[in-house]
This record gives sequence, C-alpha cells and structure tokens, in this order.
Amino acid sequence: EIVLTQSPGTLSLSPGERATLSCRPSQSVTSRYLAWYQQKPGQAPRLLIYGASSRATGIPDRFSGSGSGTDFTLTISRLEPEDFAVYFCHQYGNLPVTFGQGTKLEIK
Amino acid sequence: QVQLVQSGAEVKKPGASVKVSCKASGYTFTSYYIHWVRQAPGQGLEWMGIINPGGVSTSYAQKFQGRVTMTRATSTTTVYMELSSLRSEDTAVYYCARDRGQTYLDAFDIWGQGTKVTVSS
Repeated sequence: EIVLTQSPGTLSLSPGERATLSCRPSQSVTSRYLAWYQQKPGQAPRLLIYGASSRATGIPDRFSGSGSGTDFTLTISRLEPEDFAVYFCHQYGNLPVTFGQGTKLEIK
Repeated sequence: QVQLVQSGAEVKKPGASVKVSCKASGYTFTSYYIHWVRQAPGQGLEWMGIINPGGVSTSYAQKFQGRVTMTRATSTTTVYMELSSLRSEDTAVYYCARDRGQTYLDAFDIWGQGTKVTVSS
C-alpha cells in the first residue's frame, strides 16, 4: 500500500498570501494518478486537481498542482476567504487507492 | 445535473449490519465506476472498495474483505454498500464517489453528500 504523507499538518496564513502544500508518496506515483481535494466542515470532498496538474471543472486558476514521483505540491497563489479548509492528496494508480492524512489551512 | 444522492443517517448496534444506498442521476449510470470511502470523526479518508455499475465486478480493500458487499441495481441507477458485523470503530461518514474515468481508476469527480453511521450499544 502506498502511504501519502502530507505536510505541514496545519498551515496558518492570511488572505492574499500564497499557500504551498506538500504530498510525498512512500513509493513513486505516476503523475497522472495523483489528485487533490478540498474539504470544508460538514461537506464532502471536492476534486480540485487530477493528473497532478489538471484543474477539475470550475476550479479557479489560483489553484495549481505540480510534481512527480515522490514529491507533489498544491499551490494556492492568492488565498481567498473561502479557501480555508482541509486539503487531501490521493493516489489512484494502484489498489488500494490511498489518501494523505490532510493539511488544514487556517486563517492566521 | 450530475449527482449522487445517498440514504439517510443510521444508528446501529454492535454486531448488526448497515446498508447505504447511493442513487446516481444526470449521466449514464453504467459507464462510470463507483467507489466507497469513509471518514471517521475528525479523521482522514479511507477507501473501502469499488464497483462497476456496468458489470458485476467489485474490488474491496483488504481491511474490509468478508465484511463489505457492494451491489448495484441498474433499473434504479443505485449502488449499495453493506457492512456487516459492525463495531464502534465503524462509526463514520460513508461516501460514494464517482470515478471520473471510464476505464477503471481515476480521480473522484462527483461525491455523494455522505451518510453518517453511528454504531453504539
């Protein structure tokens, strides 16, 4: 099973700042099989990025994904108030598919 | 619009079973795989398994083998997840999610609203 380690656990930033979230798989993951989700309290996760760098339908261009192998990054260029949430990375190249433990992005 | 609508919250006693439904609409039901994912209180996401609504194939996470059964009813475009021998650690929100690809594994682009299952004596 591929373990995804996300860092930091919590990130405290202000609106307008840039956020950089990390996801490191325990073994190499092909880029096309890495996704990012946003989850707000009481809601289901929402797909942001698939294939490591492709934005899902309706996702603003301030969200971008990059990386390969064992090092992936989600960047939010300028934080909006609605971006403060928990973010999960997800690998779906091998069964069982697995998720990172999440990064909580909170308002500083 | 494309959506997955799940059944309502459940409260079960230890040892019982629960069956959660997930009704799909707005797209061709048989063309997209469905996954089940659960989230314990304050925890992350845990994958349980996948079902092909267009056929009979399923694949379950090893942790749930022997306790979980995923089925589908094409006439009602509904997928079901049944979990048996419930214990307190199964208390969680259970989600169904659509696989965005039409050829097996891909990201999960549509999620149900979640079904809270509470296991308590």
